[in-house]
Order: sequence, then C-alpha cells, then structure tokens
Amino acid sequence: DAMVIQNPRYQVTQFGKPVTLSCSQTLNHNVMYWYQQKSSQAPKLLFHYYDKDFNNEADTPDNFQSRRPNTSFCFLDIRSPGLGDAAMYLCATSYATGGADTQYFGPGTRLTVL
Amino acid sequence: AQSVTQLDSQVPVFEEAPVELRCNYSSSVSVYLFWYVQYPNQGLQLLLKYLSGSTLVKGINGFEAEFNKSQTSFHLRKPSVHISDTAEYFCAVSESEKLTFGTGTRLTIIP
Repeated sequence: DAMVIQNPRYQVTQFGKPVTLSCSQTLNHNVMYWYQQKSSQAPKLLFHYYDKDFNNEADTPDNFQSRRPNTSFCFLDIRSPGLGDAAMYLCATSYATGGADTQYFGPGTRLTVL
Repeated sequence: AQSVTQLDSQVPVFEEAPVELRCNYSSSVSVYLFWYVQYPNQGLQLLLKYLSGSTLVKGINGFEAEFNKSQTSFHLRKPSVHISDTAEYFCAVSESEKLTFGTGTRLTIIP
C-alpha cells in the first residue's frame, strides 16, 4: 500500500543534543509537510516543500531545519532541542498545493527531550 | 487570516447514540473544509472534505458533514456511534496551500 512512513516512532534526546526525524513516502507526491503537535493542541505547520522549493512558516523557530534530498524523503532537523520542543511531529504529503488536495499523514514521531 | 473553532474539547456519547461535533470557521475568501480523525498513537486520516457543490458531504465510517456558509459552520455528524469511533477529531480549513486545524474534539464512546 502507498503510504507515509516516519522513523523512528519514538525518539528520546537530551536537552541541546541535535536530533533528526525522518519521513518517506511511496505516494510520489510533490508536496511534503512537517507539523508539530503538542499535547491536546492542533497540529501546527512548521514548513513544507513543493518539489525542492522550501517554504518556511513565519513563526517557525530557527532551531528547526528541513532537508528534502529527493522526492521520497524529507528530514526534520532540530539543532538544539529544548524542553518546549517535546511534541509529536507529523509528516504529511499531498499531490499539489492549492488547498483542495487531501494531505496524507504518517503515524508521527513522538519526541521526548530530557 | 483563516481560523477554526471547535467548541467542544470533549464529547462523551453512549454507544449507538447519534453525535454532532461542532466546527466554525472564519475566512475572508472561499475555503475548503476538512474533517480529519486521529486514533490513539496514529497520524491523521481524512474523514471527508467540502470543496464545492452539495453542502452535505458524506465520508468514511458513516460520518457526514454539512457546510453552512451563512453560519460559517461545518458540523460533523454520525447517526449511530460505535466503540471504534473513539478518537480525536480535527476540523480544518484551507484557503490556499496552508491547512489550519482546530484544537480538536475528543470523542469518547460509553458502552
């Protein structure tokens, strides 16, 4: 089945220690998104790629970076995680932007910062 | 700017009873509206979406929603819920490429 895969499902890191979260997709979609979802809150868009074009949300902290080396993979790098970065990180894909397209979500990576 | 309000953070419902989860949105332009469901420890899955046309939209798992432009609402309904419907439900609005979510409604089914 075509899908969005996130690894690992659970990640524990130490305060200030860089961490990378991974997302891959077999849907061959053009757009990949990263969301942050804190407990009992709505998912919040961090950034997205349309092909290789990177689009950062204005309020995404500089501590968060992303890479998309090819169509299938996208990475979220947190350079110096703080306690406030503990959250579920969701990757999603869509065929195109424009608003009408369905976004397909992966299962998420739950990040714990000690 | 677009925004979404889900008025109920938690809704307990007896099994086989009907349920309505409320969603109101604000936007200065025409929008697309979505309902997503999130089961425990899983990502979000699309239930249904409204793009245009008929205001009554049918989705998966027996859910439906009605778009009401004058009331800027997009409430989700199901005539008879099951234990398996226990989940978090998110309403979302999209004006262009950005999807804005509400804070979610946790639906709990009471046996």
